[in-house]
Amino acid sequence: EVQLVESGGGLVQPGGSLSLSCAASGFTFSNYAMSWVRQAPGKGLEWVSAISGSGGSTYFADSVKGRFTISRDNSKNTLSLQMNSLRAEDTALYYCAKNYGDYLLSAFDIWGQGTMVTVSS
Amino acid sequence: EIVLTQSPGTLSLSPGERATLSCRASQSLTSSYLAWYQQKPGQAPSLLIYGASSRATGIPDRFSGSGSGTDFTLTISRLEPEDFAVYYCQQYGSSPTFGPGTKVEIK
Repeated sequence: EVQLVESGGGLVQPGGSLSLSCAASGFTFSNYAMSWVRQAPGKGLEWVSAISGSGGSTYFADSVKGRFTISRDNSKNTLSLQMNSLRAEDTALYYCAKNYGDYLLSAFDIWGQGTMVTVSS
Repeated sequence: EIVLTQSPGTLSLSPGERATLSCRASQSLTSSYLAWYQQKPGQAPSLLIYGASSRATGIPDRFSGSGSGTDFTLTISRLEPEDFAVYYCQQYGSSPTFGPGTKVEIK
């Protein structure tokens, strides 16, 4: 069964850092680009970042560029998102999503259940 | 950034009726790189349509997508009880963006 399981969410103060992880199973992880998409409480979806299957190419939304880093470990089938200088507006449910192919720009055919990040003092 | 506008915001229909959802892009999309998702309360989104008109794996044929350029449509031919949800369009011809969603509710 194809599955994505996120972890690492929690409560963090403004200006703080947090690292999210996503464990993938049921498919050849290195063959696919992966993304993070977030959803603020009661709001719509916002794409955050993508990384190619090899990890050699990354892409970020302007809202997080310079603050967030995306990486992957293909030996462990794990995707990560390092979030620094967090702001209240980063509060959201963060989904890990599998891209449809090894394309940074893609639809997302598999989603995890999400991990909640709350930025508040 | 390509802005997507969805209409209507809410669609009130009865089971068995036809649903027509619209998604309009602020500029023409490259190669119809447009997807549709369904999201039910408390669940992650699920992919319905990609490439404007191709159904994702396991999606029933009552769901169909059409359109090109700046105007796209998701049609649900006959609403089943499990189809009442929020639907989002997404473009991926450039930095991905989502529309604000259309809620399909039971009338």
